Amino acid sequence: RKEVEQDPGPFNVPEGATVAFNCTYSNSASQSFFWYRQDCRKEPKLLMSVYSSGNEDGRFTAQLNRASQYISLLIRDSKLSDSATYLCVVNRGGSYIPTFGRGTSLIVHP
Amino acid sequence: GAGVSQSPSNKVTEKGKDVELRCDPISGHTALYWYRQSLGQGLEFLIYFQGNSAPDKSGLPSDRFSAERTGGSVSTLTIQRTQQEDSAVYLCASRLGSAVQETQYFGPGTRLLVL
Repeated sequence: RKEVEQDPGPFNVPEGATVAFNCTYSNSASQSFFWYRQDCRKEPKLLMSVYSSGNEDGRFTAQLNRASQYISLLIRDSKLSDSATYLCVVNRGGSYIPTFGRGTSLIVHP
Repeated sequence: GAGVSQSPSNKVTEKGKDVELRCDPISGHTALYWYRQSLGQGLEFLIYFQGNSAPDKSGLPSDRFSAERTGGSVSTLTIQRTQQEDSAVYLCASRLGSAVQETQYFGPGTRLLVL
Protein backbone atom coordinates (compact mmCIF):
# COMPACT_ATOMS: atom_id res chain seq x y z
CA ARG A 1 0.00 0.00 0.00
CA LYS A 2 1.31 3.45 -0.89
CA GLU A 3 1.94 5.80 2.00
CA VAL A 4 -0.47 8.42 0.64
CA GLU A 5 -3.14 7.55 -1.92
CA GLN A 6 -5.48 9.72 -3.90
CA ASP A 7 -7.98 9.03 -6.65
CA PRO A 8 -6.34 10.64 -9.69
CA GLY A 9 -9.70 11.53 -11.28
CA PRO A 10 -10.37 13.58 -13.24
CA PHE A 11 -13.43 14.81 -11.46
CA ASN A 12 -15.46 16.62 -14.07
CA VAL A 13 -18.15 18.84 -12.52
CA PRO A 14 -20.32 21.77 -13.60
CA GLU A 15 -19.96 25.22 -12.13
CA GLY A 16 -21.80 25.51 -8.85
CA ALA A 17 -21.44 21.85 -7.95
CA THR A 18 -20.13 20.51 -4.69
CA VAL A 19 -17.25 18.08 -5.00
CA ALA A 20 -15.27 16.10 -2.43
CA PHE A 21 -11.91 14.36 -2.55
CA ASN A 22 -10.46 11.88 -0.10
CA CYS A 23 -6.86 11.03 0.61
CA THR A 24 -5.85 7.97 2.61
CA TYR A 25 -2.58 7.55 4.47
CA SER A 26 -1.02 4.39 5.77
CA ASN A 27 1.14 5.55 8.67
CA SER A 28 -0.82 5.98 11.88
CA ALA A 29 2.02 8.12 13.28
CA SER A 30 1.27 10.87 10.78
CA GLN A 31 1.03 14.19 12.54
CA SER A 32 0.20 17.00 10.15
CA PHE A 33 -1.76 17.24 6.98
CA PHE A 34 -2.17 19.74 4.18
CA TRP A 35 -3.94 20.25 0.89
CA TYR A 36 -1.96 21.90 -1.88
CA ARG A 37 -3.23 23.06 -5.24
CA GLN A 38 -1.20 22.75 -8.42
CA ASP A 39 -2.24 24.49 -11.61
CA CYS A 40 -1.07 23.16 -14.96
CA ARG A 41 2.66 23.81 -15.44
CA LYS A 42 2.87 25.67 -12.13
CA GLU A 43 4.31 24.89 -8.73
CA PRO A 44 2.20 23.52 -5.86
CA LYS A 45 0.76 26.15 -3.53
CA LEU A 46 -0.71 25.66 -0.09
CA LEU A 47 -4.48 25.60 -0.12
CA MET A 48 -5.07 24.83 3.53
CA SER A 49 -3.80 22.96 6.52
CA VAL A 50 -6.01 20.23 7.94
CA TYR A 51 -6.72 20.39 11.66
CA SER A 52 -8.03 17.63 13.86
CA SER A 53 -11.25 19.52 14.50
CA GLY A 54 -11.76 20.22 10.80
CA ASN A 55 -11.48 23.65 9.28
CA GLU A 56 -13.16 25.81 6.74
CA ASP A 57 -11.90 28.58 4.48
CA GLY A 58 -14.65 30.12 2.41
CA ARG A 59 -15.93 27.48 0.02
CA PHE A 60 -13.32 24.94 1.11
CA THR A 61 -13.67 22.55 4.04
CA ALA A 62 -11.00 20.10 5.19
CA GLN A 63 -11.59 17.20 7.53
CA LEU A 64 -9.33 14.67 9.23
CA ASN A 65 -10.47 11.19 10.24
CA ARG A 66 -7.66 9.64 12.27
CA ALA A 67 -9.57 6.43 13.01
CA SER A 68 -9.94 5.64 9.32
CA GLN A 69 -6.72 7.41 8.34
CA TYR A 70 -7.99 9.74 5.70
CA ILE A 71 -8.37 13.43 5.06
CA SER A 72 -10.96 15.04 2.86
CA LEU A 73 -11.44 18.26 0.94
CA LEU A 74 -14.89 19.59 0.14
CA ILE A 75 -15.37 22.36 -2.39
CA ARG A 76 -18.75 24.06 -2.51
CA ASP A 77 -20.12 26.20 -5.34
CA SER A 78 -17.31 25.20 -7.70
CA LYS A 79 -15.82 27.90 -9.92
CA LEU A 80 -14.08 27.51 -13.26
CA SER A 81 -10.95 28.78 -11.52
CA ASP A 82 -11.01 25.80 -9.14
CA SER A 83 -9.85 23.58 -12.02
CA ALA A 84 -6.48 22.24 -10.89
CA THR A 85 -4.80 19.23 -9.34
CA TYR A 86 -5.22 18.91 -5.58
CA LEU A 87 -2.34 17.32 -3.71
CA CYS A 88 -2.65 15.72 -0.32
CA VAL A 89 0.44 16.08 1.91
CA VAL A 90 1.14 14.07 5.04
CA ASN A 91 3.96 14.53 7.55
CA ARG A 92 4.97 11.52 9.60
CA GLY A 93 6.04 12.04 13.16
CA GLY A 94 9.82 11.86 13.40
CA SER A 95 10.32 12.58 9.70
CA TYR A 96 11.20 15.91 8.15
CA ILE A 97 10.12 14.73 4.72
CA PRO A 98 6.53 15.43 3.76
CA THR A 99 4.89 12.76 1.65
CA PHE A 100 2.87 13.97 -1.31
CA GLY A 101 0.01 12.13 -2.91
CA ARG A 102 -0.04 12.03 -6.69
CA GLY A 103 -2.97 14.40 -6.78
CA THR A 104 -6.60 14.50 -7.83
CA SER A 105 -7.49 16.36 -10.99
CA LEU A 106 -10.56 18.59 -10.92
CA ILE A 107 -12.13 20.06 -14.05
CA VAL A 108 -14.96 22.54 -13.56
CA HIS A 109 -16.90 23.23 -16.75
CA PRO A 110 -19.49 25.90 -17.61
CA GLY B 1 12.36 38.60 -3.23
CA ALA B 2 9.38 37.40 -1.29
CA GLY B 3 9.24 33.89 -2.65
CA VAL B 4 11.43 30.97 -3.63
CA SER B 5 13.20 31.55 -6.91
CA GLN B 6 14.82 29.04 -9.23
CA SER B 7 17.04 29.35 -12.26
CA PRO B 8 17.10 28.69 -15.07
CA SER B 9 13.38 28.39 -15.68
CA ASN B 10 14.04 26.14 -18.67
CA LYS B 11 17.09 24.13 -19.65
CA VAL B 12 17.64 22.09 -22.77
CA THR B 13 20.78 20.00 -22.84
CA GLU B 14 22.30 17.13 -24.72
CA LYS B 15 22.62 13.66 -23.28
CA GLY B 16 25.89 13.29 -21.43
CA LYS B 17 26.27 16.95 -20.47
CA ASP B 18 26.30 18.22 -16.89
CA VAL B 19 23.69 20.69 -15.65
CA GLU B 20 23.40 22.89 -12.57
CA LEU B 21 20.08 24.04 -11.20
CA ARG B 22 19.86 26.82 -8.65
CA CYS B 23 17.42 27.53 -5.84
CA ASP B 24 17.15 30.70 -3.75
CA PRO B 25 14.91 29.98 -0.77
CA ILE B 26 12.88 32.48 1.18
CA SER B 27 15.20 34.50 3.39
CA GLY B 28 15.50 32.98 6.85
CA HIS B 29 14.14 29.58 5.86
CA THR B 30 16.44 26.92 7.24
CA ALA B 31 14.89 23.88 5.57
CA LEU B 32 15.23 23.35 1.85
CA TYR B 33 13.94 20.50 -0.31
CA TRP B 34 14.48 19.38 -3.88
CA TYR B 35 11.81 17.40 -5.73
CA ARG B 36 11.40 16.09 -9.23
CA GLN B 37 8.11 15.90 -11.11
CA SER B 38 7.80 14.06 -14.39
CA LEU B 39 4.94 14.76 -16.77
CA GLY B 40 1.66 13.69 -15.20
CA GLN B 41 3.41 12.23 -12.17
CA GLY B 42 3.56 13.11 -8.50
CA LEU B 43 6.38 14.82 -6.66
CA GLU B 44 9.45 12.66 -6.12
CA PHE B 45 11.56 13.68 -3.13
CA LEU B 46 15.26 14.04 -3.89
CA ILE B 47 17.10 15.66 -0.96
CA TYR B 48 16.50 17.70 2.20
CA PHE B 49 18.77 20.33 3.72
CA GLN B 50 18.63 21.72 7.22
CA GLY B 51 21.00 24.65 7.17
CA ASN B 52 23.96 23.54 5.10
CA SER B 53 23.66 19.89 6.09
CA ALA B 54 21.79 17.26 4.13
CA PRO B 55 20.46 14.77 6.69
CA ASP B 56 18.39 13.00 4.05
CA LYS B 57 19.70 12.29 0.57
CA SER B 58 17.69 9.13 0.19
CA GLY B 59 15.75 10.33 -2.83
CA LEU B 60 18.71 11.02 -5.11
CA PRO B 61 18.19 8.49 -7.92
CA SER B 62 21.86 7.84 -8.69
CA ASP B 63 25.37 9.05 -7.96
CA ARG B 64 25.08 11.33 -10.97
CA PHE B 65 22.92 13.57 -8.79
CA SER B 66 24.41 15.77 -6.09
CA ALA B 67 23.40 18.90 -4.26
CA GLU B 68 24.94 21.43 -1.96
CA ARG B 69 23.83 24.39 0.04
CA THR B 70 26.04 27.23 1.14
CA GLY B 71 25.58 29.97 3.71
CA GLY B 72 22.33 28.37 4.76
CA SER B 73 20.76 29.92 1.69
CA VAL B 74 21.33 29.14 -1.98
CA SER B 75 21.30 25.52 -3.09
CA THR B 76 22.58 23.96 -6.29
CA LEU B 77 21.45 20.62 -7.70
CA THR B 78 23.94 19.14 -10.13
CA ILE B 79 23.21 16.35 -12.57
CA GLN B 80 26.25 14.85 -14.23
CA ARG B 81 26.21 12.98 -17.54
CA THR B 82 22.52 13.69 -18.05
CA GLN B 83 20.26 10.99 -19.45
CA GLN B 84 16.95 11.35 -21.26
CA GLU B 85 15.10 9.94 -18.25
CA ASP B 86 16.35 12.93 -16.24
CA SER B 87 13.93 15.13 -18.19
CA ALA B 88 11.45 16.53 -15.67
CA VAL B 89 10.54 19.62 -13.71
CA TYR B 90 12.87 20.11 -10.75
CA LEU B 91 11.14 21.91 -7.89
CA CYS B 92 12.72 23.48 -4.86
CA ALA B 93 10.80 24.25 -1.68
CA SER B 94 11.76 25.97 1.53
CA ARG B 95 10.32 25.92 5.01
CA LEU B 96 11.02 28.19 7.97
CA GLY B 97 12.14 25.33 10.21
CA SER B 98 11.89 21.61 10.59
CA ALA B 99 8.61 21.40 12.47
CA VAL B 100 6.15 19.21 10.65
CA GLN B 101 3.36 21.74 11.09
CA GLU B 102 5.15 24.29 8.98
CA THR B 103 4.27 25.03 5.39
CA GLN B 104 6.52 24.40 2.42
CA TYR B 105 6.78 27.13 -0.19
CA PHE B 106 7.69 26.07 -3.70
CA GLY B 107 9.66 27.81 -6.38
CA PRO B 108 8.42 27.88 -9.98
CA GLY B 109 10.69 25.01 -10.98
CA THR B 110 13.28 24.35 -13.65
CA ARG B 111 12.03 22.46 -16.69
CA LEU B 112 14.87 20.22 -17.85
CA LEU B 113 14.82 18.57 -21.24
CA VAL B 114 17.60 16.16 -22.15
CA LEU B 115 17.83 15.47 -25.85
